[in-house]
Amino acid sequence: ILNVEQSPQSLHVQEGDSTNFTCSFPSSNFYALHWYRWETAKSPEALFVMTLNGDEKKKGRISATLNTKEGYSYLYIKGSQPEDSATYLCAVEGAQKLVFGQGTRLTINP
Amino acid sequence: DGGITQSPKYLFRKEGQNVTLSCEQNLNHDAMYWYRQDPGQGLRLIYYSQIVNDFQKGDIAEGYSVSREKKESFPLTVTSAQKNPTAFYLCASRLSRAIYNQPQHFGDGTRLSIL
Repeated sequence: ILNVEQSPQSLHVQEGDSTNFTCSFPSSNFYALHWYRWETAKSPEALFVMTLNGDEKKKGRISATLNTKEGYSYLYIKGSQPEDSATYLCAVEGAQKLVFGQGTRLTINP
Repeated sequence: DGGITQSPKYLFRKEGQNVTLSCEQNLNHDAMYWYRQDPGQGLRLIYYSQIVNDFQKGDIAEGYSVSREKKESFPLTVTSAQKNPTAFYLCASRLSRAIYNQPQHFGDGTRLSIL
C-alpha cells in the first residue's frame, strides 16, 4: 500500500517569513509527485507535477524540489503573504491513481 | 470557461436513503475520480473511471456506486449500505490515465450530512 506522509500537519507563519514543508513517500516504483493548494471554500488547484529525481519547479514565490531516491519532496514559500494561507496537498502516482497525504494547513499571521 | 461542476453543494440524507452526487466536466478529459475527505485525513479515492463505460473501485468503494455513460458525467451514488456517509466529496478529472505529468482538476465539492 502506497503511503504518503506530509509534515507538519499545521503551520503558523508570520507574514514576510519564508517557510517549507515536506512530503515523504516510498522511493520504489515512482512515477510522479503532485502538489496542490486548497484554499477554504475553493477547489484544490494544481501547483506542480514533478517526475524526475532532482526536479525543481517554481511558480512565483513558491517552489518545490523532488528527491525520488530518498523519497521526499519539499515545498518552499518565500516571503509568505496572507493569500498563501491554504492547505497544501501532496499526492503520488500509483497504478494510474493518486494517493494523497493528509495535507499541511498553512496560516499566515499578519 | 472549462471546468468541473459538482451539485448540489450541500446534501442531506435520511437513514436508509440512497443519494446521488452529480459531477460534470467540459474539459474533454477521459479520466474522472471521486474522493472523500474526512477531518484530519487526506483525500481517499472512492471510484475512478479511465474511459466511458468503464470504472474501477478505489480504496473505499464499499457502500458507493458509480456510472460512466457519458464522457462528461460521472455521478456517485451513496447507498444505504454506506454506514458513515457524512463527509466532503470531491470530483476530479484528468486528461488521460496514461499521462502522469498532467494534474487533476477538481470541482468545488459536495458536503453530505445525515439527518
